[in-house]
Amino acid sequence: NAGVTQTPKFQVLKTGQSMTLQCAQDMNHNSMYWYRQDPGMGLRLIYYSASEGTTDKGEVPNGYNVSRLNKREFSLRLESAAPSQTSVYFCAVGGNYGYTFGSGTRLTVV
Amino acid sequence: AQKVTQAQTEISVVEKEDVTLDCVYETRDTTYYLFWYKQPPSGELVFLIRRNSFDEQNEISGRYSWNFQKSTSSFNFTITASQVVDSAVYFCALSAAPRASGAGSYQLTFGKGTKLSVIP
Repeated sequence: NAGVTQTPKFQVLKTGQSMTLQCAQDMNHNSMYWYRQDPGMGLRLIYYSASEGTTDKGEVPNGYNVSRLNKREFSLRLESAAPSQTSVYFCAVGGNYGYTFGSGTRLTVV
Repeated sequence: AQKVTQAQTEISVVEKEDVTLDCVYETRDTTYYLFWYKQPPSGELVFLIRRNSFDEQNEISGRYSWNFQKSTSSFNFTITASQVVDSAVYFCALSAAPRASGAGSYQLTFGKGTKLSVIP
């Protein structure tokens, strides 16, 4: 999707490994979000950042940390991956006028 | 707390049939925004429509139409003369205005989605 870039697109981790999902935007939005999508569950908010330097927990924050490095970048870190974190992760930017999503990261933890 | 319910998990229709996807929401906020997103098999999330809580006018865009009724807290989506390309998962979502003292960030709450299959 134009404006929101997620990397990597695919990743396989072993239980206990760590990794960071990267998200960058060129849309100049203050607010950025991380969601996870699981079958039959819709998208659930993990963490969000209202502005540079601030982060807050969403609905399912356990097992994750985030960092809002600057206005453009918002990263999601798994310190010790678990099979329950197998999911598709989406970064989003925006607010009441609409949200733009990245293309997603498919993460498998074995 | 916000909640979005899409009671229909999966729907199958034959091409050219009309189909309505239901969405019911809950929020205590008086100012809020409703969205529909489409997720085709390729996986990306495609924005379809945004509606604010003060605008109850129905909207039509080509074969798509939306019926917003605050009295029943519903924001239903109808596809007229469905096509195979309409096959996708459709999500309804709700975003409430930031609290006056809060972080200034909207949080988008999704329903669980409705998988639509259009059979040729």
